[in-house]
Order: sequence, then structure tokens, then C-alpha cells
Amino acid sequence: NAGVTQTPKFQVLKTGQSMTLQCAQDMNHEYMSWYRQDPGMGLRLIHYSVGAGITDQGEVPNGYNVSRSTTEDFPLRLLSAAPSQTSVYFCASSPDREGEKLFFGSGTQLSVL
Amino acid sequence: GQNIDQPTEMTATEGAIVQINCTYQTSGFNGLFWYQQHAGEAPTFLSYNVLDGLEEKGRFSSFLSRSKGYSYLLLKELQMKDSASYLCAVRRASKIIFGSGTRLSIRP
Repeated sequence: NAGVTQTPKFQVLKTGQSMTLQCAQDMNHEYMSWYRQDPGMGLRLIHYSVGAGITDQGEVPNGYNVSRSTTEDFPLRLLSAAPSQTSVYFCASSPDREGEKLFFGSGTQLSVL
Repeated sequence: GQNIDQPTEMTATEGAIVQINCTYQTSGFNGLFWYQQHAGEAPTFLSYNVLDGLEEKGRFSSFLSRSKGYSYLLLKELQMKDSASYLCAVRRASKIIFGSGTRLSIRP
């Protein structure tokens, strides 16, 4: 089982560029989410999804879009990258049953110059 | 995030016991997670509490008081490998919101 796979592991962008961070899980989990983690900080929820076709905003959604066309994939799009979006991004999934833990991907280190 | 408060840093001695506290707003509360995160790695699950009381898992225990909006993680017989950040997270409906984390340093 691959679990939660994030690509790329590292990315450098220039201000104003757009890109998509990929996240895929092979555990048939209904729930998927994206977090960002700034140095020395906890994780902040960007967007989440409770199933295919359903997405919702988290704590810090501005500047990011998501879609959930399949159960497996939950890409995160940066429309026009800004230096404030420099961070480590984690994708996570769970079966969305009460008490089910989040399974995390290994993270994407994004730098915006 | 959303008024989940933890101490920023703690230091403890190898072999000792340390308690990491977490307080949160009680509105919409469904349950509380504790995660461990080593530097440069993804968080890993430690515990989940829904009901009041203490749950023990080996050297780690987690306590919850729903009425007080309070939890703690208790680490016993500390080892150097326990040096990490410990993240408290609250489940409210479909959202899981994390606190800022507590960085724990273990000295020999």
C-alpha cells in the first residue's frame, strides 16, 4: 500500500506563477485535507473534502483552489503564487469515521521567490 | 488555530516524566487528537480522546476533560528519541484543527 502520495517533494516558484500540488491516496478514504505548516508552527487547514464532488474551506483558504473529482485524488492549486505561500504543505486522508486518525503524506516544501 | 493553546517549548530530562497541556474552546467539540512530529517529517498519530478520562498506551497517556476544554499528554520514561513537536488537534464536525504545537527537548 502506498498510502498518501504527494508530488512534488520540493518546488521553487516565482511570484505570480501558478502550479498544482498533487495528492493521491489508495486507501479508499472519503476524507481528504490540505494543511500548510510554517517554520516552528502547527498545521493550518487550507481546504478539505468529505467525498468526491464535495469540498469546503478551512482556516486559510485564500489563494488556493481544490477539486475532488475522484475519491483518490485531491489536488491543491495555487493560482498566483506569493512569497507568503512559502511553506511545507501536507495532504492527509482518513476514512471519516469518528475517531479515525489522519494519514499524512510526506509533504511538499514550496518556496516562492 | 481557533483558540487551541499549548506551550511553545518544554525541556525535560531523559528518564523523567513530562506533561504537555492543551486547552481549547469547547463549542462544537467532537474529539481531541495528539500527534508527534519529528523535524522534517510528517505528523504521526499518538492518541484520540472522545470521553473524559485517561487513556494509556505504553509510555504515553492522554487525558481529556470535555467540560473544562482541557487535555494533556503524559510521556513517561523519556527517551532521547522523544525529542519532537507534539501537536494537539481538535475535531469539530468534519474539520480537524491543530494547535501550534509544543517543541519538546530531552536532555541527557
